[in-house]
Amino acid sequence: EVQLLESGGGLVQPGGSLRLSCAASGFSLSSYAMSWVRQAPGKGLEWVSGISNSGGNIYYADSVKGRFTISRDNSQSRLYLQMDSLRLEDTAVYYCARPPPRLNVVVPAALDYWGQGTLVTVST
Amino acid sequence: DIQMTQSPSTLSASVGDRVSITCRASQDINNWLAWYQQKPGKAPKLLIYKASTLESGVPSRFSGSASGTEFTLTISSLQPDDFATYHCQHFGTFGQGTKVEIK
Repeated sequence: EVQLLESGGGLVQPGGSLRLSCAASGFSLSSYAMSWVRQAPGKGLEWVSGISNSGGNIYYADSVKGRFTISRDNSQSRLYLQMDSLRLEDTAVYYCARPPPRLNVVVPAALDYWGQGTLVTVST
Repeated sequence: DIQMTQSPSTLSASVGDRVSITCRASQDINNWLAWYQQKPGKAPKLLIYKASTLESGVPSRFSGSASGTEFTLTISSLQPDDFATYHCQHFGTFGQGTKVEIK
């Protein structure tokens, strides 16, 4: 069974940093591109970043470019999101997600498996 | 950048109703559109991809269609489990979401 489990969320002050982790199981992480998607309270979904299966291709949304860094450790079946210079507007639930096998691209055409999400709150 | 405009933002309907949600792209997107269902406190669930391909395990009352740059998610007969928020997606861009609530 495919499972994605995020961790690392919490309360952080503006300007601070946080590192999210996503543990993958039930499939070979090294075969898939992966994405982070976030959802601010009461708002819609926002794609944040994607990384190719090898880590060689990476894309970011303009809203996080230069502040967030996506990475992966296929040997540990883990995906990461390093978030620096956090702003109030980064407050959201952050999901890691996987595309279907036939749509396995870095900026996803669809996402068929999602984690349960981890809440990041940026506040004074 | 391609913009995705989803409407309506809220839709009130009754069990058994036929409901439609629209997502309009600012330019041709070659039918690269996905639809998701999301319930409160839960992750989104993929319903449809490539505008009209039903994801495995999704009930057949859900369907997707396209006409140029306008895309429609239709639920043929609304069931109690279908009251939720629906999102469209074109690659790195999501629509604003449509909440389907009980009339």
